[in-house]
Amino acid sequence: DTGVSQDPRHKITKRGQNVTFRCDPISEHNRLYWYRQTLGQGPEFLTYFQNEAQLEKSRLLSDRFSAERPKGSFSTLEIQRTEQGDSAMYLCASSSIQGTGELFFGEGSRLTVL
Amino acid sequence: KNEVEQSPQNLTAQEGEFITINCSYSVGISALHWLQQHPGGGIVSLFMLSSGKKKHGRLIATINIQEKHSSLHITASHPRDSAVYICAVKGDSGGYYGGSQGNLIFGKGTKLSVKP
Repeated sequence: DTGVSQDPRHKITKRGQNVTFRCDPISEHNRLYWYRQTLGQGPEFLTYFQNEAQLEKSRLLSDRFSAERPKGSFSTLEIQRTEQGDSAMYLCASSSIQGTGELFFGEGSRLTVL
Repeated sequence: KNEVEQSPQNLTAQEGEFITINCSYSVGISALHWLQQHPGGGIVSLFMLSSGKKKHGRLIATINIQEKHSSLHITASHPRDSAVYICAVKGDSGGYYGGSQGNLIFGKGTKLSVKP
């Protein structure tokens, strides 16, 4: 297994467009997390899945944001009608319920909204 | 005041120096993570601890639950250690964070630069 992978790594879009990011967790991991990180700040929690169930959403996740994990494997994070304030690094991480709770992060997807 | 505070914000060291990065938090936790983030953005988990001390190679992490404080030490620092080091805490089941499984609270990170 190659770890957590995210796609695309970089996305430049115009304000008002929709974007979608994909995260493929480590295959046996049943927990998946999305975080957002802006320049000079630590990551901020967005949402969390256990298998296909979205168990928690941050208040940061406005109604323009939606995340899915339809089969309990990969996840998508969609941002509709992007705004310049959405420019950030979007990080995905996964972990196993049976494990130590250690998080494994992907390389992130950097979004720039012009 | 942030729930997780790190110090220093920036740190420059000469190769070979012993380095300490500190993390203080204000609420009850069940675990504390130390993470390393390189300029490309990817984050690597270094340690997860809930008590005592852990060591991996030249890295040592300690935590004092009573004092709500953790330190990350790097011995014999090397330029390849240059990165941002982030402390993150997971709340305990009855605490401020409501027992959330996902809601890690992160510090802002400490940017370390080790000069050759």
